[in-house]
Amino acid sequence: EPEVTQTPSHQVTQMGQEVILRCVPISNHLYFYWYRQILGQKVEFLVSFYNNEISEKSEIFDDQFSVERPDGSNFTLKIRSTKLEDSAMYFCASSEALWGSNQPQHFGDGTRLSIL
Amino acid sequence: SQQGEEDPQALSIQEGENATMNCSYKTSINNLQWYRQNSGRGLVHLILIRSNEREKHSGRLRVTLDTSKKSSSLLITASRAADTASYFCATDASNFGNEKLTFGTGTRLTIIP
Repeated sequence: EPEVTQTPSHQVTQMGQEVILRCVPISNHLYFYWYRQILGQKVEFLVSFYNNEISEKSEIFDDQFSVERPDGSNFTLKIRSTKLEDSAMYFCASSEALWGSNQPQHFGDGTRLSIL
Repeated sequence: SQQGEEDPQALSIQEGENATMNCSYKTSINNLQWYRQNSGRGLVHLILIRSNEREKHSGRLRVTLDTSKKSSSLLITASRAADTASYFCATDASNFGNEKLTFGTGTRLTIIP
């Protein structure tokens, strides 16, 4: 069964450094998402992406965050200058774009980001 | 309570018993989805129920949706040790059902062999 893959599984970074989290969505999916889950807390929406542009973003997704689909397969989340509070599990998800929508989102296993 | 609150927060049952988890939400929705998360792993999609549906089945899973009460329940029948995980409801309030999901706090289910 096709799945969403994320790399790396664990990223340790010094505060202030830039970090790029990578995702390969399911190949025929056209909607892409990033979520994060701080330890012990809810999964929180960050951003959704469709047709090569952001379709919605949350308050968390400030100017320090950016997303990109650099080629036909990868979908990346960049944090320009990491803060301690960015430490979390980051999940990528994708869904199909069918008329009438209501398609499930399929998640990767996540990247655990630890900011020191 | 916030959008997507599950109860109970934790549930322990004997293997073979049925497990029921509930979810309440506040705003109108397009669909509601249930996910499972094993410790340290990603979210596995279980079932999606549209706002115009009242009940849906998938294998040992049964989901109900009551939009008048803004609540949903997930029933797992004949539980197995492998069902031990956290279960989350997530609501999609967008017009076309392909936008952000708002997750609940989750129910931690433990199946005792």
